[in-house]
Amino acid sequence: AQTVTQSQPEMSVQEAETVTLSCTYDTSESDYYLFWYKQPPSRQMILVIRQEAYKQQNATENRFSVNFQKAAKSFSLKISDSQLGDAAMYFCAYRLANAGGTSYGKLTFGQGTILTVHP
Amino acid sequence: KAGVTQTPRYLIKTRGQQVTLSCSPISGHRSVSWYQQTPGQGLQFLFEYFSETQRNKGNFPGRFSGRQFSNSRSEMNVSTLELGDSALYLCASSRTGSIGTGELFFGEGSRLTVL
Repeated sequence: AQTVTQSQPEMSVQEAETVTLSCTYDTSESDYYLFWYKQPPSRQMILVIRQEAYKQQNATENRFSVNFQKAAKSFSLKISDSQLGDAAMYFCAYRLANAGGTSYGKLTFGQGTILTVHP
Repeated sequence: KAGVTQTPRYLIKTRGQQVTLSCSPISGHRSVSWYQQTPGQGLQFLFEYFSETQRNKGNFPGRFSGRQFSNSRSEMNVSTLELGDSALYLCASSRTGSIGTGELFFGEGSRLTVL
């Protein structure tokens, strides 16, 4: 079974600084996707960034970028120029790439990291 | 374009009762997934429906069930509620449920408290 581990229950950063959230995962599969989701307090979860395992190039979305180390099964999220609106719970998630069976609609999530941004 | 809508947003039940939660997916999305979020267990996958058929199921007891209607709206039901069922229940929709075109869009959730 696949597992996702976020070892940092809480992180904090000063506004305009950079912070990195850690995530490791365990899988025997070679074809999968990894995601970072953001869940602000009492608001819906939204996708921040996604990475296809077959791509060596790290994904970037504006101020958000990842460091994907497939051999090490590591997938960290870097937030540059942190803003107050970045404060939220961040979840790392894994999804099998196969189109059928146990992959339909199923994400495996880590326990989450609460990010606090100080003005 | 309206997002994923979940109702009710908050509800309180007592042990032994049953509850039905509703999810309206984004227009055009045919796949609906349900997740349970608790402080202790985190986010756990309940089940996924596509075209009124359950295609995938997580590791939850039979008290948890769901269905999907022809308009893709979905309901989940929990019978004989237990204290441990207190959680935020999240619904997510996607066009197909498959990874290629299947980014999940989440609703704001239904927060269930069991007393």
